[in-house]
Amino acid sequence: GENVEQHPSTLSVQEGDSAVIKCTYSDSASNYFPWYKQELGKRPQLIIDIRSNVGEKKDQRIAVTLNKTAKHFSLHITETQPEDSAVYFCAASIGAAGNKLTFGGGTRVLVKP
Amino acid sequence: GAVVSQHPSWVICKSGTSVKIECRSLDFQATTMFWYRQFPKQSLMLMATSNEGSKATYEQGVEKDKFLINHASLTLSTLTVTSAHPEDSSFYICSAQRESYEQYFGPGTRLTVT
Repeated sequence: GENVEQHPSTLSVQEGDSAVIKCTYSDSASNYFPWYKQELGKRPQLIIDIRSNVGEKKDQRIAVTLNKTAKHFSLHITETQPEDSAVYFCAASIGAAGNKLTFGGGTRVLVKP
Repeated sequence: GAVVSQHPSWVICKSGTSVKIECRSLDFQATTMFWYRQFPKQSLMLMATSNEGSKATYEQGVEKDKFLINHASLTLSTLTVTSAHPEDSSFYICSAQRESYEQYFGPGTRLTVT
C-alpha cells in the first residue's frame, strides 16, 4: 500500500520567515495530495490540495508543489504569522471518489513572534 | 459549505459498555465517509471506509466486530465501539468525501473508557 513520509517532524520559524514541509510518497498511482492543518484539540482543516495533472498551486501565502517523477510534494508558507502555528499533515490518495487518504506523520510548526 | 458534524464531542463510559458516535455531513451528500483514530501527538490512522448502503471496508488490524460502522444515508454514518475497554480510549474523527476528492473532517469525539 501507499506510504507517506513527512519531514521535518517539528519546525520552528521566526514570524515573517517562510516554512517548508516536505513529503514523499511510494505509490506512483497516487494522484491527489491534500494538506491539512490541525490546531490542538480541533479537527484537521483542508488548507490546500493539488492533483497530479499540475505541478504547483498557490493560495495567498500558501503554495504546494508536486514532483511526480521524484514522488514528492511540498508545502510552502510565506510570511508566517503566529496563527500559522499548528500541526500540518500531508496526505496522498489514488483515484477519485471513495479513495482513502494515507497521511504523513505530521509536522508541528511553531511561529515565534 | 462542506460542514461535517460529529456527536458527541466527548464521552466517558465504563468498561464493557458500548458507545455510538455519529458523523453527519450537514450541507452536502457524502457517498463515502471515513473513520479515523488519532492518538496524542500522532497522525491520523484510518480505521475504515464507510459507503452508503454497503458494508464498511476495514483496515488491516481493525476488528470489524468491535468497531461497528453503519452508513444508513448520504449524510449519516455511525461508529459503535462495542464492549469498550480502556485501550479503546482515543480521539475518533470522521471525514466525509465531497465530489471527487476532497475530504472534510468532523470535530472529533474524545472517548474515555474507565
